Amino acid sequence: EDQVTQSPEALRLQEGESSSLNCSYTVSGLRGLFWYRQDPGKGPEFLFTLYSAGEEKEKERLKATLTKKESFLHITAPKPEDSATYLCAVQARGAQKLVFGQGTRLTINP
Amino acid sequence: EAGVAQSPRYKIIEKRQSVAFWCNPISGHATLYWYQQILGQGPKLLIQFQNNGVVDDSQLPKDRFSAERLKGVDSTLKIQPAKLEDSAVYLCASSLAVGAVGTQYFGPGTRLLVL
Repeated sequence: EDQVTQSPEALRLQEGESSSLNCSYTVSGLRGLFWYRQDPGKGPEFLFTLYSAGEEKEKERLKATLTKKESFLHITAPKPEDSATYLCAVQARGAQKLVFGQGTRLTINP
Repeated sequence: EAGVAQSPRYKIIEKRQSVAFWCNPISGHATLYWYQQILGQGPKLLIQFQNNGVVDDSQLPKDRFSAERLKGVDSTLKIQPAKLEDSAVYLCASSLAVGAVGTQYFGPGTRLLVL
């Protein structure tokens, strides 16, 4: 069974304090790994798709990386507006559904 | 480009009542998904449609949940009768791709509280 585990469950940082969120996964053949951002009261917002080990993608202060067992979402010099829940999901080969982790709730204090 | 639309945004019902949610996907998107998100958890797929047909409904509690997608566009998800544990956010998503990796775009969700 495909599984995704995210850590930590919650993370509180000061503005400008860089850190990383972890997403560990087991899947029967990875088709894609997705990162989403979810603000309170809203649906998940797409950030990145990673397809193979070694791949990296960047968007503003966020950089996502992928290995054969895990993905990291690095946040550099975060701002309060980066506060949100970050969700990781995998799509297995031969499937279209996403299997999500439980998310990491990130809070950036000014 | 308009996003995924969902209504209502909020719903409060008593247990054993019925409720229906509506979703309008992004124009041209062939695949539509309904997810259930319980507080503090990630979304869990309930049902996936490709055009009019059901692709995956393995996690849909079929004794109380039903869904349809008429004419391959809009979709409705119904719960009858509702239980307390159905309190959750119901998210609709759509994607353009068929049979390949495709980014799923989510609507704002319908927040259901069952009392």
